[in-house]
Amino acid sequence: GGIITQTPKFLIGQEGQKLTLKCQQNFNHDTMYWYRQDSGKGLRLIYYSITENDLQKGDLSEGYDASREKKSSFSLTVTSAQKNEMAVFLCASSPGQNTEVFFGKGTRLTVV
Amino acid sequence: SQWGEENLQALSIQEGEDVTMNCSYKTYTTVVHWYRQDSGRGPALIILIRSNEREKRSGRLRATLDTSSQSSSLSITAAQCEDTAVYFCATDGAGGYKVVFGSGTRLLVSP
Repeated sequence: GGIITQTPKFLIGQEGQKLTLKCQQNFNHDTMYWYRQDSGKGLRLIYYSITENDLQKGDLSEGYDASREKKSSFSLTVTSAQKNEMAVFLCASSPGQNTEVFFGKGTRLTVV
Repeated sequence: SQWGEENLQALSIQEGEDVTMNCSYKTYTTVVHWYRQDSGRGPALIILIRSNEREKRSGRLRATLDTSSQSSSLSITAAQCEDTAVYFCATDGAGGYKVVFGSGTRLLVSP
């Protein structure tokens, strides 16, 4: 088995601030994902990375940057935090195509 | 609105009842994933059904897939209180990597 570790668990930032969320996985999975989940809603795909040197935009990439530093780590940057993007950000990984996606426990973002 | 942006649907049933949740998707997919999310945790896969399968079972869970109507369903037989959770379907597109989630159903099973 493996684990996905997201840091920090809780992140409080000022409006307009640049904030970075980190994710590490020890599954040795090729593919990694970042999702945003607003309270009472579903998951929306922000960025994904098929392999170590790849970066693909999801449906909600505006306002975010991502970086796949190495196979095991995938970071997400909120370029200018806004109050309407307070949510839980979920990192996930998968061994490849058409297979199960494994999730971390999330980072809860609060913007003040 | 984007798929997944809508509010969760709410379903409330009694223990022992059967329940079915439906999912319609708009783009081609090779597989349909069904995930369960417990409070405070990330989603976890419960069934993955491939485009060449019409039905897949796992214990009290049954998923169906109709590729012609681009729809899938998840049924739980004789629901238990521990089935209380949020359930999502997800698709992975033609390439097989872009996993996007549907809007989800919050299921409450009462004793």
